[in-house]
Formats: sequence, C-alpha cells, structure tokens
Amino acid sequence: QVQLQESGPGLVKPSETLSLTCTVSGGSVTSANYYWTWIRQPPGKGLESIGFISYTGSTNYNPSLGSRVTISLDTTNNQFSLKLRSVTAADTAMYYCARNRWDYTYALDVWGQGTTVTVSS
Amino acid sequence: DIQMTQSPSSLSASVGDRITITCRASQSISTYLNWYQQKVGKAPKLLIYDATNLQSGVPSRFSGSGSGTDFTLTISGLQPEDFATYFCQQGYRPPRTFGPGTKVDVK
Repeated sequence: QVQLQESGPGLVKPSETLSLTCTVSGGSVTSANYYWTWIRQPPGKGLESIGFISYTGSTNYNPSLGSRVTISLDTTNNQFSLKLRSVTAADTAMYYCARNRWDYTYALDVWGQGTTVTVSS
Repeated sequence: DIQMTQSPSSLSASVGDRITITCRASQSISTYLNWYQQKVGKAPKLLIYDATNLQSGVPSRFSGSGSGTDFTLTISGLQPEDFATYFCQQGYRPPRTFGPGTKVDVK
C-alpha cells in the first residue's frame, strides 16, 4: 500500500525559501501511471493546487504562484520536493503531497498526512 | 483557470438523512470531476472520480452524477462518520482547481 510522508521545517522567515520533501513508500515515483502533486490549505480555507511533476520530470505549476515554485523528483530516494521562494505570511498553510492518477480523471487518490508551515519572523 | 463553485456552503443534517451537494464548473469539464471528504485535522480522502466512479473502499451510500458543468454528490443514509467537509475538484485542466467546500454538520 502506497504511503506518502511530508517533511521539512515548520517555520520559515519572510522572504526566505520554503523547502519540503515527500517520501513515497510502497510504490515508485517512476511509475508512468501517476503524477506527484503538492497541494496547500491555508488555515480555515480551501485547497489550492501548487503543481505537479511526472515520472519523466516534467512539471506544471499554478500560475498564481508565478516563478516562485520548483518541484523536483529524486528517483534515488523515491522522493519529490517542493521549493517556494520569497515566502510571505500568505504562504502559511498546511502543505500536502499527493499522488495524482491520470487514469482516474487526475484524482488525488493517496495523500500524505500534511505538514504545517508557518511564515513568520 | 476553471472556477469551481459549490452549494450550499454548509448544511445541517441528521443521521439517516439523504443529502445532496452541488458543484458547478465555469466551463465544461466533461466528467473530469472528483469528490473528496475532509475531516478536521486530516488530509482529504478521495470518494468519487470521473464524476460517478466510487473509489475503492468507499461505502455505496455515496454516489455522484453529472457531466459538463453541473455535478452532484449524494449521501443516502447519512452516518455519524460522514459529518465532514466535502470538496469537488476538476481534473480537466491544470491548475486542477477545487470548490470552496461544503461543511456537513449535525442538526
């Protein structure tokens, strides 16, 4: 059974870079059936797609985040990562990694438990 | 971006009730519509994909319908564990946007 686990600092200073890693167990990030996705949810609010990466390393980012986002794949460690640059308080949120199935109308069928990131000095 | 709306934003119901949540897309998304359940402090859980397909392990009291721009999630015979927030999401085009959610609480 596939499981995802987010890790990274819970506190980031304004203007710095938020860095998170998602470790995949019970499956491979090189599987052609899936995209690997980051989602975030500000406190008390809805869900926002940040972006995703395919097994080939091709990426797609939410334009609302502009050029601040990079998602990368580490096939050696079976992980994928998120970097969000120049953060502000508006980036404070619960961050989830998830598996995206293209054959299930791009549904997110497996989620990590989430990690809280607070942007504050 | 494709905008997703949901109605109602909240509803109060009792165990055993049949409830329906509506989701609307700002443009046609065929059946690229997915539904999730989220409980407080937990990650969302996939319930339905492709508008009508029940995810493995999800009880049959959950059902989905619709195509194009209008979709519904129905829970037939609400159970205590079903009190949660429900989100729709379009899988038609990136960014794959979510609806704002519908909170189902106890009447």
